[in-house]
Amino acid sequence: DTGVSQDPRHKITKRGQNVTFRCDPISEHNRLYWYRQTLGQGPEFLTYFQNEAQLEKSRLLSDRFSAERPKGSFSTLEIQRTEQGDSAMYLCASSETFGTDGRSSPLHFGNGTRLTVT
Amino acid sequence: AQKVTQAQTEISVVEKEDVTLDCVYETRDTTYYLFWYKQPPSGELVFLIRRNSFDEQNEISGRYSWNFQKSTSSFNFTITASQVVDSAVYFCAHYEDSSYKLIFGSGTRLLVRP
Repeated sequence: DTGVSQDPRHKITKRGQNVTFRCDPISEHNRLYWYRQTLGQGPEFLTYFQNEAQLEKSRLLSDRFSAERPKGSFSTLEIQRTEQGDSAMYLCASSETFGTDGRSSPLHFGNGTRLTVT
Repeated sequence: AQKVTQAQTEISVVEKEDVTLDCVYETRDTTYYLFWYKQPPSGELVFLIRRNSFDEQNEISGRYSWNFQKSTSSFNFTITASQVVDSAVYFCAHYEDSSYKLIFGSGTRLLVRP
């Protein structure tokens, strides 16, 4: 178990540029989540995948944001035309579901990607 | 709707004091889970405990203990004999089987002074 891995750890970009982050979940975990955390706040839910299917997107996820998990393994989060308000820590988490009612193991978080938009 | 409230924004204690972090949740589900996570200055979120809604037994793990009270929708966390290394932000979180989402409170920053 190597844990949830996120890349890059830090990203500084100029306003208007596009950025893409990658998340590699724990290998046997079928659920993958993206969260955003700003200074002094708790993580806010953005979206989650069950295998390769994106099942829910938060209203926080504007049309400039897109997430994919093409083969049900790693995931990417892309932000187009970045704005200064996008500056935050982007956290990825994964979990394993069990049973037929979707019960989940605890979410295991990566170390996050800190985005700074100048 | 899911909601988690951590009313204490920041707590400062002297080493070896006991400290309790409060958490109150709102839910419409009968099946749910409650969590505590620790976020040290290095930034990673560290899982501490999960309780399901059917298990109201209190739990103790070393210096940590948790008090789950469904009647008051609370899931409080106590650190006994606090240490400087306990300094971190602590998040309470709630997961509903119906929504598959983990919703966090705003966190309590704990500072343990030597």
